[in-house]
Amino acid sequence: AIQLTQSPSSLSASVGDRVTITCRASQGISTALAWYQQQPGKAPKLLIYDASRLQSGVPSRFSGRQFGTECTLTISSLQPEDFATYYCQQFHNYPRTFGQGTKLEIK
Amino acid sequence: VQLVESGGGLVQPGGSLRLSCAGSGFTLSSYTVSWVRQAPGKGLEWVSSLSSSSSDMYYADSVKGRFTMSRDNAKNLLSLQMTSLRAEDTAVYYCARDPADYYYGMDVWGQGTTVIVSS
Repeated sequence: AIQLTQSPSSLSASVGDRVTITCRASQGISTALAWYQQQPGKAPKLLIYDASRLQSGVPSRFSGRQFGTECTLTISSLQPEDFATYYCQQFHNYPRTFGQGTKLEIK
Repeated sequence: VQLVESGGGLVQPGGSLRLSCAGSGFTLSSYTVSWVRQAPGKGLEWVSSLSSSSSDMYYADSVKGRFTMSRDNAKNLLSLQMTSLRAEDTAVYYCARDPADYYYGMDVWGQGTTVIVSS
């Protein structure tokens, strides 16, 4: 099974900050990766699909990039509603593994 | 466009439960659908996926042989039959649309249904 390693596992930041979360795959996954945001007690919400494409309705401050087996999610200017947990997921093959999550907290 | 899960509850270890996932606003049978669960305080865990044609089914090793997905296309409904339940199956279960034939990302999620396995 492909393993996804997210870093950091937690992150403290302030409103207006630029933050980047990394997801490293144990083998090549091409662009078969998505990013989700999950608020406490809520279902995950798709932010980025195909590693770098912005889901409809998601603010443009969110962006995704891919560099070989490493993918990044960047939030260019944090807003209060962005403090949540973020997950990556690979679609290269089954099982459709998730990263362990990154909890973004207010500093 | 939405998905709504139902069927969760409290069940004893070794028992069975059937979860349902109802689609509205789109044709569920046109998409791969997946189940994802989240144990209390833990991260997301992919559980299983069923292709649009129902010809391909995939299960996590942790549930293989115990969980079975099926569809009722006439009712726009998908089910997850869970047997031989264990304490470690306790989680919120989400169904999600997985348009893998078009792009990579689960774009529609239900609100989740809670399964508690306890005596």
